[in-house]
Amino acid sequence: GQNIDQPTEMTATEGAIVQINCTYQTSGFNGLFWYQQHAGEAPTFLSYNVLDGLEEKGRFSSFLSRSKGYSYLLLKELQMKDSASYLCAVRDHSSGGSYIPTFGRGTSLIVHP
Amino acid sequence: DTEVTQTPKHLVMGMTNKKSLKCEQHMGHRAMYWYKQKAKKPPELMFVYSYEKLSINESVPSRFSPECPNSSLLNLHLHALQPEDSALYLCASSQEVGDGYTFGSGTRLTVV
Repeated sequence: GQNIDQPTEMTATEGAIVQINCTYQTSGFNGLFWYQQHAGEAPTFLSYNVLDGLEEKGRFSSFLSRSKGYSYLLLKELQMKDSASYLCAVRDHSSGGSYIPTFGRGTSLIVHP
Repeated sequence: DTEVTQTPKHLVMGMTNKKSLKCEQHMGHRAMYWYKQKAKKPPELMFVYSYEKLSINESVPSRFSPECPNSSLLNLHLHALQPEDSALYLCASSQEVGDGYTFGSGTRLTVV
């Protein structure tokens, strides 16, 4: 299985940049996902990394280092609507080949004016 | 169509009731999932269907019974639930098992 760690809560100011970290331990890493979930709503897919490096998608970027078991989600030009929970999910093929991602506990981001 | 549709959005049921949650997608995804989510917790996997066959049951109590009538539909039949089963129930689909998910908006279930 995986041991996934994310900060519980972060706060940031509108217009700023915030980095949300995710560390994991797994024996058969096979990809990492980031999802955004607004309160009371379903998660929405943000990004997917399987190779080392940075994937940029508009204001959001995601980085992966497989050797360090580490990823981060970078949010630029923060807006109030970015206040949400951000879930890191790690997929591995060591659990009997199920390939089902395991979710971290999520990071609650609060953006204030 | 790029959505997963779940009905109902809200459900209140007694402990002796039988109800069903429904999920539908028309994206041609071959994997469908049921997750349970409590407040301020991550989604917990319940069931996985791949090509209309149940491939994973995460030791879910038998009072929850999944059904996949065809490649677009996924049901979750509920019977004799407990108050602690109150949660947000999320359906998701993906192209293949383990690919990025598209989630439905969820059913908020309250057991009284």
